[in-house]
Amino acid sequence: NAGVMQNPRHLVRRRGQEARLRCSPMKGHSHVYWYRQLPEEGLKFMVYLQKENIIDESGMPKERFSAEFPKEGPSILRIQQVVRGDSAAYFCASSPRRGDNTEAFFGQGTRLTVV
Amino acid sequence: SQQGEEDPQALSIQEGENATMNCSYKTSINNLQWYRQNSGRGLVHLILIRSNEREKHSGRLRVTLDTSKKSSSLLITASRAADTASYFCATKDGNNRLAFGKGNQVVVIP
Repeated sequence: NAGVMQNPRHLVRRRGQEARLRCSPMKGHSHVYWYRQLPEEGLKFMVYLQKENIIDESGMPKERFSAEFPKEGPSILRIQQVVRGDSAAYFCASSPRRGDNTEAFFGQGTRLTVV
Repeated sequence: SQQGEEDPQALSIQEGENATMNCSYKTSINNLQWYRQNSGRGLVHLILIRSNEREKHSGRLRVTLDTSKKSSSLLITASRAADTASYFCATKDGNNRLAFGKGNQVVVIP
């Protein structure tokens, strides 16, 4: 089991471009979470998805950000028209089920730099 | 907003000493989890304590949970240089959402 895979590890985008961050959960995991981390800060929840469904997107900015987790393939976090303030590390985590007492497994993150 | 808030924010200790950090939360929880993050890396799950548990051990880690005070502590005994990292607590609410605190930076001096 390869663990949670995120790619790319580093992404540089110019202001106004689109950023696509990918997350492949652990095998057998159908729940995915996305978090954003600014330097020297904790992780801020963005969105929680289950296969083909967005369960909770209360942490997502209202504009420019979207997420999906299709039936086949990785989960995608998409940021349109990036701005410098979007520069951060974005982490994905997966868990096998909704169960209350399950841990989440994290990927190594994608570090987005907007220039 | 963040569910948990760790205290203290930064801790510097000598190798072999114990490190204790605290976390408080505001709402009802199903469980509380502690994670470690090495600089620039992803988070590694350390230990999970359920809301009906008061104390849990895992190797050199000891976690306590006081639901009446809405607080938890993480104790690392006999610290090693490799324990240098940021430590986060996270709480899972009834909506299955994992909310993180701001983290404790621990530096273990060899």
